[in-house]
Amino acid sequence: NAGVTQTPKFQVLKTGQSMTLQCAQDMNHNSMYWYRQDPGMGLRLIYYSASEGTTDKGEVPNGYNVSRLNKREFSLRLESAAPSQTSVYFCASSETNTGAYGYTFGSGTRLTVV
Amino acid sequence: RKEVEQDPGPFNVPEGATVAFNCTYSNSASQSFFWYRQDCRKEPKLLMSVYSSGNEDGRFTAQLNRASQYISLLIRDSKLSDSATYLCVVNPRGAGNMLTFGGGTRLMVKP
Repeated sequence: NAGVTQTPKFQVLKTGQSMTLQCAQDMNHNSMYWYRQDPGMGLRLIYYSASEGTTDKGEVPNGYNVSRLNKREFSLRLESAAPSQTSVYFCASSETNTGAYGYTFGSGTRLTVV
Repeated sequence: RKEVEQDPGPFNVPEGATVAFNCTYSNSASQSFFWYRQDCRKEPKLLMSVYSSGNEDGRFTAQLNRASQYISLLIRDSKLSDSATYLCVVNPRGAGNMLTFGGGTRLMVKP
């Protein structure tokens, strides 16, 4: 049972480069989320998708775009990477958009922008 | 004021000790409460949900005090493997019903 799978696990980008972080879940969850985690800042929500076909901004959406490709997949795109986007990125999913049963997280992507 | 506040620690305790963490939340309408555990350089994992009547899972006990808007986690007979960061998580029942994560409390259990 894979749960939430993120790729890649590690990435180094040069300033201005673009990339897409991939996330897929096999739990038939309706809602999916992208977080970033920085030292001393905790988890901050970038974007979320309450259900297939919808996406909304979270706390820190600037510099990112998302696509809910289907019920399973939710991707995060950095169009022009900046050093401030160096972080650990976590994708998560939940059965409902009420968070009543908590979230399941992927193992994360460690991104460094130089 | 942060929506969910935790003492960042670290809490340094010997093996076998009992340790308690508290967490306060600001939205009195919050409905769902959780404790997550996050190991170094790993993803957060659900440790336990927190119910109004309190609940226990082995050495772990979670309590909710709605009147004072705080949640607690008690760990008895600490093991080395309990060393991790413990995240307090609340569903503030606001727009979008997003879970709100506290900054975490770091626990280090020493031999």
